[in-house]
Amino acid sequence: DTGVSQNPRHKITKRGQNVTFRCDPISEHNRLYWYRQTLGQGPEFLTYFQNEAQLEKSRLLSDRFSAERPKGSFSTLEIQRTEQGDSAMYLCASSYSGGAHYGYTFGSGTRLTVV
Amino acid sequence: GQQVMQIPQYQHVQEGEDFTTYCNSSTTLSNIQWYKQRPGGHPVFLIQLVKSGEVKKQKRLTFQFGEAKKNSSLHITATQTTDVGTYFCAGSDSGSARQLTFGSGTQLTVLP
Repeated sequence: DTGVSQNPRHKITKRGQNVTFRCDPISEHNRLYWYRQTLGQGPEFLTYFQNEAQLEKSRLLSDRFSAERPKGSFSTLEIQRTEQGDSAMYLCASSYSGGAHYGYTFGSGTRLTVV
Repeated sequence: GQQVMQIPQYQHVQEGEDFTTYCNSSTTLSNIQWYKQRPGGHPVFLIQLVKSGEVKKQKRLTFQFGEAKKNSSLHITATQTTDVGTYFCAGSDSGSARQLTFGSGTQLTVLP
C-alpha cells in the first residue's frame, strides 16, 4: 500500500468556480477524514466517514462544501462557488477503528488557491 | 466546542538543547495524539496517549498526559536538526478518536 493518495496536488481556480478533490485512503482503513489547514494553523476538521456513511460534519462547514465516499472506498470533496477564503491546504486522512491506536495517516494534501 | 491550545507558538533552540511544547484542552480528553509536520509536508502520527498520567518515550522524545486528562506535553532531549518541524497535539473527547481537534502547533527551529 502506498499510503493515502490525494489528487490533484495543486488547484488554482477562479472565484465562483466549483472544484472537486479526490482522496484514496489506505485500503484497510474504514475511517476517512477531511481537514483543512491554513498557514500557521493546525488542521481544522471538516467531515468524517466510517465506511460509506458520513457520520460527522463540522458546524463551521458551509453548505457549499459536500463530501462523498461511495462504497466506502475513495472520497471526494466538492466546493461550489469558491471564495477567496476557501484558499487552503485540504488534507485527507484515514484510520482503522479496530487497531491498537487511532492515529491518522494523512495524505500530502491538495493546495487550493482561489484567485 | 472543544478547544486545544498549544504553547509556545515558536521555539528556536541550539542543536543539543532540550525542547518542550505544552498542550491544554478546554475539555477532558479521552485520548491525545501528537503529530509532526515537516516544512512543506503533511502531519505524521507520532503517538497516542490514553491513560491519566501516562508517560511514553520514543528515543529522545517523552510524551506525558496530565492526571486530569486535560493537558499534555512533548519533551525532546538534545535536539537535532532532524527534529525541525511543527509539532501538533490533537485531542478527542470520544473514545474512538472519531474527530480530532488539533492545536495550532509549535514550530521548532534547531540552529546548528
